[in-house]
Amino acid sequence: GQQLNQSPQSMFIQEGEDVSMNCTSSSIFNTWLWYKQDPGEGPVLLIALYKAGELTSNGRLTAQFGITRKDSFLNISASIPSDVGIYFCAGPSYNTDKLIFGTGTRLQVFP
Amino acid sequence: GAGVSQSPSNKVTEKGKDVELRCDPISGHTALYWYRQSLGQGLEFLIYFQGNSAPDKSGLPSDRFSAERTGGSVSTLTIQRTQQEDSAVYLCASSPRYGGSTDTQYFGPGTRLTVL
Repeated sequence: GQQLNQSPQSMFIQEGEDVSMNCTSSSIFNTWLWYKQDPGEGPVLLIALYKAGELTSNGRLTAQFGITRKDSFLNISASIPSDVGIYFCAGPSYNTDKLIFGTGTRLQVFP
Repeated sequence: GAGVSQSPSNKVTEKGKDVELRCDPISGHTALYWYRQSLGQGLEFLIYFQGNSAPDKSGLPSDRFSAERTGGSVSTLTIQRTQQEDSAVYLCASSPRYGGSTDTQYFGPGTRLTVL
């Protein structure tokens, strides 16, 4: 079935550094979503991408929809402590109303 | 307005007992989803309700799991004869429009279930 693989699995960075993470699949997705989950909370949508090649920003976050439609990238610039959490990519399952979530990238930011 | 709420926030139970987890979606949202998140893992789809349509139960891991949604609003996820492998965070999400998967899903804080 469709799967989303995220890398890296975890990251430990210093405040102020830029972060890059990605999400890949062997299947084509027509939409890519990036969610962030704060500790003890449910995920919150950060960015949605609907078109191959699309590059979208939300503050310090930038995400891209890969040309092959099999991958997506999320970049965070000038990280701050509140960026700590788990970042999930997600995409709609083929021909259904369900979302498939990636395995997550756990980000830790040290002051 | 209020977001998605879930109760209880934490539940500890003994193996073999039944548990009920509750989700109050955002008022007016037609679609409601349940997910399971095991420690350090991603979100595993369990069940989806959309309006008055029959729910999509394809993600339920066994017949010990069931869910209902009363009056198109509150939903209850029931796990019968709990097992230790049921320990996880159970997340509920609702979305506003037609329930298409690309509609923004708003998540509750989850219920952390621990089966001893």
